[in-house]
Formats: sequence, C-alpha cells, structure tokens
Amino acid sequence: AQSVTQPDIHITVSEGASLELRCNYSYGATPYLFWYVQSPGQGLQLLLKYFSGDTLVQGIKGFEAEFKRSQSSFNLRKPSVHWSDAAEYFCAVVPFFNQGGKLIFGQGTELSVKP
Amino acid sequence: EPEVTQTPSHQVTQMGQEVILRCVPISNHLYFYWYRQILGQKVEFLVSFYNNEISEKSEIFDDQFSVERPDGSNFTLKIRSTKLEDSAMYFCASSEPGTGNEQYFGPGTRLTVT
Repeated sequence: AQSVTQPDIHITVSEGASLELRCNYSYGATPYLFWYVQSPGQGLQLLLKYFSGDTLVQGIKGFEAEFKRSQSSFNLRKPSVHWSDAAEYFCAVVPFFNQGGKLIFGQGTELSVKP
Repeated sequence: EPEVTQTPSHQVTQMGQEVILRCVPISNHLYFYWYRQILGQKVEFLVSFYNNEISEKSEIFDDQFSVERPDGSNFTLKIRSTKLEDSAMYFCASSEPGTGNEQYFGPGTRLTVT
C-alpha cells in the first residue's frame, strides 16, 4: 500500500547532539517530499522540500534532508540540536505530480531535547 | 511575511450542531485545502479546492462536509451535523501554482464536539 512511514514515534536527544529523523515512502515514482514541524499548540511550518535535482536539501533553522532513491528515504538531519527544536516533526509527500495535489503525512516523530 | 489565518482558534459545539470554520489563505494562492488531526494521530487530508470547485476529497469528506469560497479572500469548511468523532484540529492550507504543491498551513481551529 502507498504510505509514508516514520518509524520513530519519540526520540530524545541531548542539546548540542546531532539528530536524524527517519522517513520512508512507498510510491512507484519519486514523489515531492516535505518535512514540517509542529510546535505545541501551533500549526505546521514547512522546514524543507525536495522536488528534483541535488539530493541534499537545506531548510530553515539549520535542518537538512537527504533524498535516497534506492532506499525510498528522505531523512531529516541537524548537526547540533537546540532546546527550541523540541516539537513534532512530520514527513509528507505529494505522491504524483499534480498541481494542487494533497499531502500524505507520516505518523510524526516527537522530539524531546534534554539539557 | 504573508500567512494563512484561521478563525476561531477554538470552537466548542454540541453534537448535531452545524459549525463553520473559516480560513483566509495567502492572497496570491490558488489552491486551498482542509486537513484534520485527531488528537494523537497524524494529519489527514480532507479536501482540496481550485477554481471554485472541489479538486479532490477523501473518504472522510462525506455529505456532512462542504467547502466554499464565498468571496475573494475567505475559504470555509462547514460541518452540517457534528458528531463526537469530528472533534479534532482542523488546518487550512494554501499553495500557489508552480511551486510543487508547497503548502502553507494556518494555525488550526480546535473543534470540540460535546
């Protein structure tokens, strides 16, 4: 079945440590790929996106993500986590090139940051 | 920076009542969406809207739901007869053509059905 999988429901990292959040998708063609962040009580903020080209994309707040076609993955990384990064992170795809196409979201990964 | 706004931020209603959730998308955007997030679950697509008509809708978006763009700025979601299971956070989003469906989300309306 077509889906977006975030295998880690909850991750805790120490402030200053590196972070990698995993995302896998199962679609035949390469979809458009996104990472969103949701702080408590807030809406969804777009961190970064991949459409084509360079497979390492940079986003806001020091985040980056790497698209790996062979692994159907789009993992989010940050070299040094700050306490303010504590939030829920959602990977999302637009499965087919389609103007106005819907986003399909993963289950989300909740990130906790310890001092 | 332009943003999507939603009102109200929190709506409490009794089962069977009608509710209208309001959104003002970003002004030059042409595609509009509603999503919902039941507490503790993932964000789910409800409906997309373009050129004054529904482009796509999910199985969740049954006859109880409707959307409208009553004027040049507002985009509304109406639930005709609310059920307990409609309690969720409802997000509006918008996107502009040619951006690969980069969608910008509003802060959400928390709907509580009692």
